[in-house]
This record gives sequence, structure tokens and C-alpha cells, in this order.
Amino acid sequence: AQSVTQLDSQVPVFEEAPVELRCNYSSSVSVYLFWYVQYPNQGLQLLLKYLSGSTLVKGINGFEAEFNKSQTSFHLRKPSVHISDTAEYFCASNRGGATNKLIFGTGTLLAVQP
Amino acid sequence: GAGVSQSPRYKVAKRGQDVALRCDPISGHVSLFWYQQALGQGPEFLTYFQNEAQLDKSGLPSDRFFAERPEGSVSTLKIQRTQQEDSAVYLCASSSLQGSGILYEQYFGPGTRLTVT
Repeated sequence: AQSVTQLDSQVPVFEEAPVELRCNYSSSVSVYLFWYVQYPNQGLQLLLKYLSGSTLVKGINGFEAEFNKSQTSFHLRKPSVHISDTAEYFCASNRGGATNKLIFGTGTLLAVQP
Repeated sequence: GAGVSQSPRYKVAKRGQDVALRCDPISGHVSLFWYQQALGQGPEFLTYFQNEAQLDKSGLPSDRFFAERPEGSVSTLKIQRTQQEDSAVYLCASSSLQGSGILYEQYFGPGTRLTVT
């Protein structure tokens, strides 16, 4: 079965510090991987996605993620965070195919403090 | 252009009432998805439409949940005889047609927050 694990429910960090949000996936077949951000009372916005090719993926707002097949991870990183990055971050996967449904992790709240 | 819109944004229902949640996808998007997001959790898949055809309803939690998309555009998620455990944010997403080996981004609406009292 396909699943996504985000072990950190909350990550506090000071402004301008680097941050890493962890994501591990499990699947017996190849998957596509995504990071979404959700601001309060808003829908999900795609930050970046890994489909194939280069394992280092760059997204919007200065975020990047690295696909590591041997460790089944897809951690999200940003070298310097801003107050405005405070939001809930969701890692997701799907296997493509007929439905293309997304399987989400439980989310990580990134709390940026001044 | 306009994104995915959902209405109402907030809905309070008394236990046992029926509710209907509406989703307007991005114009021209063939694929439409419904997800349920409980408090403190990630979204969970409910159902998928390609045009008017409901191709996957494996995530619907009970037969009280029903979704339709009769003209291949607007979709309605209906919940009959609501229960407290139905309280959640219901998210709608749309995308271009999925094809073999082709993956299109799902664009999400703001969601409808349903509270059952």
C-alpha cells in the first residue's frame, strides 16, 4: 500500500534560519512526489513536484526538495525562511494511472518566529 | 484566470440534516477530485470524476456520501443524515485530463468547512 509519513507535526524556526521538513514515502512501485503549502483558510498550493529525472527539485518561494530513492525520502528545504513562510506543509504522493489520486501525509506546521 | 471555487465556505448543520457542497472547477478541466480533511490531518481522497463519469469512489466513507457531476463541469458532494464525524474541510481539486504517462497538477479550491452539531 502507498503511504506518506511526516514525522514532525510542528517545526519552530527563527526568521532567516534554514529549515528542513521531513517526508518519507512507501510504495512498491514508482511514485510521483509533491509538496503543498496551505495557508490559514486557504486551499492547497503546489510548491514543487518530482516526476522523474534530476533528484533535486526547485520550487516556488525559494523551496527545494531532494528525492532519495534508497532512503525513500523527499525532504523539503529552504536556506533562509521568512515570517510569511509560516503555514502548514503537506507531502503527497501518487502512482499516476487512471485515478491519479493524491495520498497526503499528516502535515507539518512551520512556525517562523522573529 | 479564475481558480477553483467552492460554496459555501462554511456550513453548520445539525446532526441528521442533509448538506450539499458545490465545486466549480477551472474552466476546461476534465478531471475533478474531492478530498476530506479532518482537523489536524492531511486531506484524504474521496472520489474522482473524468467529465461526468465517476471513475473512482473508493474513498467515500459510507453510503451517506454521494457525489455527482452531471454536465461534466460543476460538481456537488452531498452528505445525507450528517453525523458529528463528518465535520471536516471538504476540498475540491481539478486538473487537465490525465493521460498515460502524463501527470497534470491538481489545483485546489479553498474548501468548505462543515461543522455538524
